[in-house]
Amino acid sequence: QKEVEQDPGPLSVPEGAIVSLNCTYSNSAFQYFMWYRQYSRKGPELLMYTYSSGNKEDGRFTAQVDKSSKYISLFIRDSQPSDSATYLCAMSSYSGNTPLVFGKGTRLSVIA
Amino acid sequence: GAVVSQHPSRVICKSGTSVKIECRSLDFQATTMFWYRQFPKQSLMLMATSNEGSKATYEQGVEKDKFLINHASLTLSTLTVTSAHPEDSSFYICSARDELWSTDTQYFGPGTRLTVL
Repeated sequence: QKEVEQDPGPLSVPEGAIVSLNCTYSNSAFQYFMWYRQYSRKGPELLMYTYSSGNKEDGRFTAQVDKSSKYISLFIRDSQPSDSATYLCAMSSYSGNTPLVFGKGTRLSVIA
Repeated sequence: GAVVSQHPSRVICKSGTSVKIECRSLDFQATTMFWYRQFPKQSLMLMATSNEGSKATYEQGVEKDKFLINHASLTLSTLTVTSAHPEDSSFYICSARDELWSTDTQYFGPGTRLTVL
């Protein structure tokens, strides 16, 4: 079993839809959870950062972490064509120099 | 958020030459930086962890003599692709770890597209 599982998509939705992106993980030591957005031919951009369980909201984006289920989600409300990108989940146990563990990324297309 | 720059953004070189890519954290100090490569429509692949003042830690299968990493200061890490060949053509991305206040997140540079002819 991979440490982090993420459906690669592609996911195609109409403009204005609510998008739900998810990752599951197996390592219970993870306590920092992040979502990155990557446009084509660009470096990933940090969208949301969450520590431990709970919800975090920033504008149209909401990140949820359920550590008991080892499941994290990113919701995008009122999706826009400019949201079309690849979304990567990442997580860390913060043990010194251990790198972040990334999901494979989900490709999202928002159709106008 | 924190800013990480990379230079150059794009480089085309002949087979057999060496290419140096710089990664800088502009508004924070990073004792740890990471180097990734990414092929088209594929996920990030971690190449190595760069530690300021010490040797880099390479992932399995990454040749340390081919991909030289130097992290000489808290804001600069360099990746040198030595004797580049067409199969080294890829998108190289660095990230810097922001360790302030016991948080743990990484900020990525914009990437460097390397094309070896």
